[in-house]
Amino acid sequence: EIVLTQSPDFQSVTPKEKVTITCRASQSIGSSLHWYQQKPDQSPKLLIKYASQSISGVPSRFSGSGSGTDFTLTINSLEAEDAATYYCHQSSSLPQLTFGGGTKVEIK
Amino acid sequence: EVQLVESGGGLVQPGGSLRLSCAASGFTVSSNYMSWVRQAPGKGLEWVSVIYSGGSTYYADSVKGRFTISRDNSKNTLYLQMNSLRAEDTAVYYCARLAYLSGSYLDYWGQGTLVTVSS
Repeated sequence: EIVLTQSPDFQSVTPKEKVTITCRASQSIGSSLHWYQQKPDQSPKLLIKYASQSISGVPSRFSGSGSGTDFTLTINSLEAEDAATYYCHQSSSLPQLTFGGGTKVEIK
Repeated sequence: EVQLVESGGGLVQPGGSLRLSCAASGFTVSSNYMSWVRQAPGKGLEWVSVIYSGGSTYYADSVKGRFTISRDNSKNTLYLQMNSLRAEDTAVYYCARLAYLSGSYLDYWGQGTLVTVSS
């Protein structure tokens, strides 16, 4: 089973600051890594697919990078509405899907 | 517009059963890979099951033998039959669509339905 480890677990950030969240896979998964945003009491929403591909309707301040085992989600110039928990998800070992433990981003 | 609407959650005693439904609109369930993902209170996301367009089904080890995923093509609805429920099955259950053809990422999610297993 491929394990995804996210860091940090929690981050408190001031508006306009840059946020970096990492996701490390226990084995190489190529670019089969996707990112989701989950705001309180809402269902998850797709942010980035295949490590770095943008999703229509998602603000351009969200970007992803990485391949193999190390991946990064970056939020440039954080806004108040970005307060949420962010999850990575790998699809290299279909049909099994696995998620990272999540990173909660709080606005100071 | 793609929409997924779950229903069927509620309070059930340990050892009991429950069937969740996920009514889809804006696309055809049988032509897509569909999945159930759950989230225990205050916890992260956990994949539960998937059904492929060809009908193949797969389960997480934690629910194998107890849960059954299925679909009704005439109703364009996805189901999750949950038997022998345990306290650790308590969670919000989301149905989600896997991206068409690639089946890699979850591009649409329902609002979720809460299942509470407790005596």
